[in-house]
Amino acid sequence: GDSVTQMEGPVTLSEEAFLTINCTYTATGYPSLFWYVQYPGEGLQLLLKATKADDKGSNKGFEATYRKETTSFHLEKGSVQVSDSAVYFCALSIYGGFKTIFGAGTRLFVKA
Amino acid sequence: KAGVTQTPRYLIKTRGQQVTLSCSPISGHRSVSWYQQTPGQGLQFLFEYFSETQRNKGNFPGRFSGRQFSNSRSEMNVSTLELGDSALYLCASSQLAESYGTDTQYFGPGTRLTVL
Repeated sequence: GDSVTQMEGPVTLSEEAFLTINCTYTATGYPSLFWYVQYPGEGLQLLLKATKADDKGSNKGFEATYRKETTSFHLEKGSVQVSDSAVYFCALSIYGGFKTIFGAGTRLFVKA
Repeated sequence: KAGVTQTPRYLIKTRGQQVTLSCSPISGHRSVSWYQQTPGQGLQFLFEYFSETQRNKGNFPGRFSGRQFSNSRSEMNVSTLELGDSALYLCASSQLAESYGTDTQYFGPGTRLTVL
């Protein structure tokens, strides 16, 4: 079945460090891929998305490229800030599948 | 535009009771999905509704049910509560329901259910 696997956390970084959170997927159809972020006490919100192979999603300094050949959608940011501390979820949805499948989430701590 | 609202925000129940949670989607959004979030299982899909029809259902027992009204508001019900039902229940709405695959999900803040 369709699934998403992302690196386990927590990930602890110092401010201005480079961030990578790995995400790979298994899908029977042609998925759209998403990164959502959850701040403490809040629901999830979309960070970025890509709907077809080789698309790059970007927002707030975060980037991820849809790699069909490696079935991956790794999240990167060149210089993290304390305010980026949150839980990050990789997700996919299939056209006509009427559901979104989430990875387990990766908690990020950024130290000043 | 107001975001997705969920009521109540917090709920405490005892085993065996039933509970109803409510979700109001963003105005104009016709698809509503429900998820259960727990530390051990992460985010698990419960069901998705569009135009009062359930289009998909996750792997949960029949004690979990839902419905959608003509104004797109949705409710989910859990009967005969168990300790393991303690979780954050998240509702999400999306606009382009006809092409679900590319839609962004807009999440509410969730209802925190504690079963004692």
